[in-house]
Amino acid sequence: DGGITQSPKYLFRKEGQNVTLSCEQNLNHDAMYWYRQDPGQGLRLIYYSQIVNDFQKGDIAEGYSVSREKKESFPLTVTSAQKNPTAFYLCASRTQGAGNEQFFGPGTRLTVL
Amino acid sequence: DAKTTQPPSMDCAEGRAANLPCNHSTISGNEYVYWYRQIHSQGPQYIIHGLKNNETNEMASLIITEDRKSSTLILPHATLRDTAVYYCIVRASGSARQLTFGSGTQLTVLP
Repeated sequence: DGGITQSPKYLFRKEGQNVTLSCEQNLNHDAMYWYRQDPGQGLRLIYYSQIVNDFQKGDIAEGYSVSREKKESFPLTVTSAQKNPTAFYLCASRTQGAGNEQFFGPGTRLTVL
Repeated sequence: DAKTTQPPSMDCAEGRAANLPCNHSTISGNEYVYWYRQIHSQGPQYIIHGLKNNETNEMASLIITEDRKSSTLILPHATLRDTAVYYCIVRASGSARQLTFGSGTQLTVLP
């Protein structure tokens, strides 16, 4: 089945540790996105990538880093510089072109203790 | 991207049609209207999108006014599993940037 996978679904880390969230897609989509969602709020863009080896900052990129070495993969690292990392993280992908919708993964809930 | 306005919450009886409104009065000519929904603690799910004509698929219908300043998502026979937050989004065609998700409408389908 084609789709987007994120792992793990729940992740716990101690304060001050870096943590990397996985996002893989087998939809052959060019563009991939990372969003953060806090309770009762909409999604906010962290980073996005339109093509391999290229990515751009979103609205809340501080304290996060990404890489796009393969088309299928877009891992997100939450660094110790992120002041409030506990949140629900969502990965998405889409095909380039007018009117094409984004497909979302199931999300990873990160809790920093 | 144009801003959208949606009511924060709505209720609907099971089996009845759910009509979710969205205002996008500053929409530009090349901006599409998208609808997504998010069931609690899951990733958003694409429902439907349109430019200016009404659209229908297996999940819902999208009615866009002639001036394109507002739209309505219609779930023809709501079920309990349709309880979710529904997001109305407008985005320019060909834009690679993200969809801007607002707070959406919490639809609760009542038995």
